[in-house]
Amino acid sequence: DAMVIQNPRYQVTQFGKPVTLSCSQTLNHNVMYWYQQKSSQAPKLLFHYYDKDFNNEADTPDNFQSRRPNTSFCFLDIRSPGLGDAAMYLCATSRDGTSGTPGGPDTQYFGPGTRLTVL
Amino acid sequence: AQTVTQSQPEMSVQEAETVTLSCTYDTSESDYYLFWYKQPPSRQMILVIRQEAYKQQNATENRFSVNFQKAAKSFSLKISDSQLGDAAMYFCAYRRLGSQGNLIFGKGTKLSVKP
Repeated sequence: DAMVIQNPRYQVTQFGKPVTLSCSQTLNHNVMYWYQQKSSQAPKLLFHYYDKDFNNEADTPDNFQSRRPNTSFCFLDIRSPGLGDAAMYLCATSRDGTSGTPGGPDTQYFGPGTRLTVL
Repeated sequence: AQTVTQSQPEMSVQEAETVTLSCTYDTSESDYYLFWYKQPPSRQMILVIRQEAYKQQNATENRFSVNFQKAAKSFSLKISDSQLGDAAMYFCAYRRLGSQGNLIFGKGTKLSVKP
């Protein structure tokens, strides 16, 4: 089945130690998103790639960066994790601009998330 | 700016009964999408149902249906014949038509299903 995959599912890092989370998709979607979700809160968009174009949200800290080397993969890099960065990180994809897609265009499909713990 | 409000932080329903989760939103756009997502504890967020604002007919997916009132900017989710597996956090979300941008989520409603 086509899907959004996130690795690892659980990540433990130390305060200040860089960490990379990965996301891959077999949906061939052109848009990929990274969300941060803290306990009992709604997901908060950090940034997204529309094809190769990177779009950063205005309030995303500089500590968070992303790379998308190809259509299938997208990475979230946290340069110097702080205790406040402990959260679930969700990757999502969408196929914008295409009708007839199951769920319709503009529907975002989410991966299972990576839970980040900062010690 | 668009906002999404879910006024019920928690709801509870008896198994096999019907429950309605409320959602209101604010926008100046005339065309947009609305979504309900379900997030079970420690599990993946999945799409429950989607509504295009230009469609007057309310979307339905098996036991899930919406009551979309465009003028009132209301988008409630009805779950019929509730099952234990329906227990989850439910998020209402808004997205502008054709936008590259983000889903705007409500704060969520935690639904419990009692056997």
